[in-house]
Amino acid sequence: KQEVTQIPAALSVPEGENLVLNCSFTDSAIYNLQWFRQDPGKGLTSLLLIQSSQREQTSGRLNASLDKSSGRSTLYIAASQPGDSATYLCAVMGGGSNYKLTFGKGTLLTVNP
Amino acid sequence: DAGVTQSPTHLIKTRGQQVTLRCSPKSGHDTVSWYQQALGQGPQFIFQYYEEEERQRGNFPDRFSGHQFPNYSSELNVNALLLGDSALYLCASSFPGMNTEAFFGQGTRLTVV
Repeated sequence: KQEVTQIPAALSVPEGENLVLNCSFTDSAIYNLQWFRQDPGKGLTSLLLIQSSQREQTSGRLNASLDKSSGRSTLYIAASQPGDSATYLCAVMGGGSNYKLTFGKGTLLTVNP
Repeated sequence: DAGVTQSPTHLIKTRGQQVTLRCSPKSGHDTVSWYQQALGQGPQFIFQYYEEEERQRGNFPDRFSGHQFPNYSSELNVNALLLGDSALYLCASSFPGMNTEAFFGQGTRLTVV
């Protein structure tokens, strides 16, 4: 059974700081990994999708890496802004889960002005 | 281009009642998945519909059922509501393969009293 863990559970940083969010998964036989952002009480916004054959993806100030063999992914946020404050969720497809996404519990990020 | 839309946004029901939630997928998508997100947790997979058939199901009781229509829209039905069914219900749409990006709606907040 695939399990996804996100560390830390919460993170508070001053504006402008670079930061890294971590995600680990137990079964490396994944098809892809996706990072999402969730604002309080809202739906999920897709940030980055990394296919299993890829090592990283970039979008603006965001960079996500994938090390499938070790079951790890990181989301790097450069020059953080107060508007980045949200919960960040990591999800994997595959690893015996077939078509479903298996999510971690998320990292609650607060960027202080 | 309209993204994934869900209705209603909020709903309050009494224990034992039945509820129907609705989802319209992103334009061009033919696969719809439903997730349940309890407070402070990551979303949990309920089931996925493709070609009007339930393609995969998560660990949810038979009280949870669904349907997909020829226009790819979908419904989630929950019978005999329990207090524990209170959650944010999220709909995701995608293309049918295993290496496609999932896009989520804003969710339906269900409160069972």
